[in-house]
Amino acid sequence: KAGVTQTPRYLIKTRGQQVTLSCSPISGHRSVSWYQQTPGQGLQFLFEYFSETQRNKGNFPGRFSGRQFSNSRSEMNVSTLELGDSALYLCASSRDSTYNEQFFGPGTRLTVL
Amino acid sequence: QKEVEQDPGPLSVPEGAIVSLNCTYSNSAFQYFMWYRQYSRKGPELLMYTYSSGNKEDGRFTAQVDKSSKYISLFIRDSQPSDSATYLCAMQGSARQLTFGSGTQLTVLP
Repeated sequence: KAGVTQTPRYLIKTRGQQVTLSCSPISGHRSVSWYQQTPGQGLQFLFEYFSETQRNKGNFPGRFSGRQFSNSRSEMNVSTLELGDSALYLCASSRDSTYNEQFFGPGTRLTVL
Repeated sequence: QKEVEQDPGPLSVPEGAIVSLNCTYSNSAFQYFMWYRQYSRKGPELLMYTYSSGNKEDGRFTAQVDKSSKYISLFIRDSQPSDSATYLCAMQGSARQLTFGSGTQLTVLP
């Protein structure tokens, strides 16, 4: 069974630009969560999508947004990029169960110059 | 104060040593406790999860949870150079999102 895939793997942008990252969950998984990982703050939860609806949201500004499509694939968007947005963005998928066993993709490393 | 505190690293041990990795938490709502392993430039990989207080063993790995003390541990027996990675504890409450510790970087020296 294929794992979680994320594209692109690496991205370089400049301040003020916007970026869209993509995530394809494991087949049969309906929940997709996004996390930001930085050396200073560690892994922080961004949001979770299930059945094309945002079910949960972390403490990030509105510049961070996402969506989920009917095939469970998800995208996240960051507008008006800031230097501090440089991070590894991780996507995790899970079945919809009480225990949220999450499987992570390899991440997209975003560098903002 | 962070909800999850993880022993800071880095940690360096000789091959074959027993490794102990620890986290404490403050949120009593946490119900599920997980350990992830993350190799450099890779996504986290789920190693173990536990629900109740006590020990859970899987090969060379043992996860321990003490809910009364709000303390979890991961023990690695007979550590190998291939165990060198960053280990992250993670916890989940009813909100489903995972709250992670800051991670402990482990190096097992041959």
